[in-house]
Amino acid sequence: EAQVTQNPRYLITVTGKKLTVTCSQNMNHEYMSWYRQDPGLGLRQIYYSMNVEVTDKGDVPEGYKVSRKEKRNFPLILESPSPNQTSLYFCASSRLAGGVVAETQYFGPGTRLLVL
Amino acid sequence: RKEVEQDPGPFNVPEGATVAFNCTYSNSASQSFFWYRQDCRKEPKLLMSVYSSGNEDGRFTAQLNRASQYISLLIRDSKLSDSATYLCVVKGGATNKLIFGTGTLLAVQP
Repeated sequence: EAQVTQNPRYLITVTGKKLTVTCSQNMNHEYMSWYRQDPGLGLRQIYYSMNVEVTDKGDVPEGYKVSRKEKRNFPLILESPSPNQTSLYFCASSRLAGGVVAETQYFGPGTRLLVL
Repeated sequence: RKEVEQDPGPFNVPEGATVAFNCTYSNSASQSFFWYRQDCRKEPKLLMSVYSSGNEDGRFTAQLNRASQYISLLIRDSKLSDSATYLCVVKGGATNKLIFGTGTLLAVQP
């Protein structure tokens, strides 16, 4: 089954304790992206990757890091989480067609993060 | 001004009603337009793309007005299962980035 998986699905942590949210897709997609969703603000892009070893900042990259060492995986790293990073996080993937992101982005099930 | 603006709702409608959502976008260079559906606490999923000539998929009709930078989604014969948040999404210009609206909440009542 074609899918995007994220782990963990729910996480409660404390300020300053480094954490990683994993994302994996089995569709051989070149493009992967991380979003956060907050009430009244919608989905905002954190980072994206056009291919292995190619990553770039989205709209709200501060406080986050990513890596793309393998095509299927795109982990999101919070080196020193703060309460303002409490949010719902989605990973997404898509194929590229002629260097352009295809119409459909496939989203993971989301990770609810609470930073105390 | 937000790049993509939607009425947040909620739209409360009875089963069988016709309901329309509107969305405006600010970047005239935007090239692709979509409606995504998001159920409560779930991930967004593509509902339909929006083409310049307008397009229909069963009970759903999407329209684009480039001159007014305006997108619409019409749902006919609403079902309880249509209850969800509908996200207007624009991809544009020189980037591959998808810009999401904050969504319009639809609640279909029995």
